[in-house]
Amino acid sequence: DTEVTQTPKHLVMGMTNKKSLKCEQHMGHRAMYWYKQKAKKPPELMFVYSYEKLSINESVPSRFSPECPNSSLLNLHLHALQPEDSALYLCASSQGGGRATGELFFGEGSRLTVL
Amino acid sequence: SQQGEEDPQALSIQEGENATMNCSYKTSINNLQWYRQNSGRGLVHLILIRSNEREKHSGRLRVTLDTSKKSSSLLITASRAADTASYFCATDVYNQGGKLIFGQGTELSVKP
Repeated sequence: DTEVTQTPKHLVMGMTNKKSLKCEQHMGHRAMYWYKQKAKKPPELMFVYSYEKLSINESVPSRFSPECPNSSLLNLHLHALQPEDSALYLCASSQGGGRATGELFFGEGSRLTVL
Repeated sequence: SQQGEEDPQALSIQEGENATMNCSYKTSINNLQWYRQNSGRGLVHLILIRSNEREKHSGRLRVTLDTSKKSSSLLITASRAADTASYFCATDVYNQGGKLIFGQGTELSVKP
């Protein structure tokens, strides 16, 4: 069982909707990540939060808006998405700190379908 | 931006055989990690090898790293049907803390 919990597991939304994906971890990790994964492709890094501050934004369109309310929670707010944004969105956490990235712990993902 | 290339893209073997997957990357790294993903599920960390290490073992897994060639290999010995999954290498990009970039992946099928 994963120690990173993502909700919802499945989400269907229209292009004008506003929705949010949520991620929670209770391992005391200080780094949290959002990845996007299309079918048969590798995960693509979107955002990295380190000690609750956005440290990496991989030029993600502004229709994706991350938020880190505290060290255990990570949200991804979605607005005016396009059908090509349909994908599996994966949250991960790692211990954080230091210059190197350690092991990432992944949630099971939120499968998003944009109609 | 993806920097890892893996080969083969797909590998089909019989139970008991060994499976070898290769990964190449482009930039300097702090470490290289291997992950496994069952269809439509989250990824599970398998092993991490630091840039100053050349070989590492964990159970039936053996990972090598050649930083001069910017390449790594993952060997799974005595494979089982339960090893069927996609395997990804991921590089921790040097001097960009937190930037873990995944390779294209190898889809492994182990037939009983």
